[in-house]
Amino acid sequence: EIVLTQSPGTLSLSPGERATLSCRASQSVSSIYLAWYQQKPGQAPRLLIYGASSRATGIPDRFSGSGSGTDFTLTISRLEPEDFAVYYCHQYGSSPRTFGQGTKVEIK
Amino acid sequence: QITLKESGPTLVKPTQTLTLTCTFSGFSLSTTGVGVGWIRQPPGKALEWLALIYWNDDKHYSPSLKTRLTIIKDTSKNQVVLIMTNVDPVDTATYYCALAVIAAPVLGAFDIWGQGTMVTISS
Repeated sequence: EIVLTQSPGTLSLSPGERATLSCRASQSVSSIYLAWYQQKPGQAPRLLIYGASSRATGIPDRFSGSGSGTDFTLTISRLEPEDFAVYYCHQYGSSPRTFGQGTKVEIK
Repeated sequence: QITLKESGPTLVKPTQTLTLTCTFSGFSLSTTGVGVGWIRQPPGKALEWLALIYWNDDKHYSPSLKTRLTIIKDTSKNQVVLIMTNVDPVDTATYYCALAVIAAPVLGAFDIWGQGTMVTISS
């Protein structure tokens, strides 16, 4: 099973700042099978990024994904008030599928 | 428009069997490449993948829960059912179903999610 470790656990930033979230895999993940989700309180997760770097439909271009192998990054170029949420990475290239433990982006 | 909606009991006693239903619209589970998965989230905790079923009846389970889970599809009713036996209070969670299309471009990411259903395991 591929373990995904996200860091930091919590990121305290102000609107307008840049957020950089990390997802590290215990073994290599094909980049075409790495996704990022956003989850707000009381809501279901929403797909942001698939294939490590492709934005899902309707996702603003301030969200970008990068990485390969065991290290992946989600970057939010300039935080908007609606971006404060929990973010999860997810690998779906090998079974069992696994999720990271999440990074909370909170308002500083 | 694609939608998924979970349904089932809100309270189940320990050792009982939990049956959850995902009813969907806007796609067919008989279409090549289509799959529906179940994911759960205990209160305040992370997402955990449980099971996935594909159009060709290929099934995948979380190894840690495999002996307790069964996933089945009813294509005529546009439903996927998840059965969990011998539930325990640690199974208390919000249970989500989600669409996974293994064709390009998403290649199997969970693209569309249901709203989730909260299940409490308690005597």
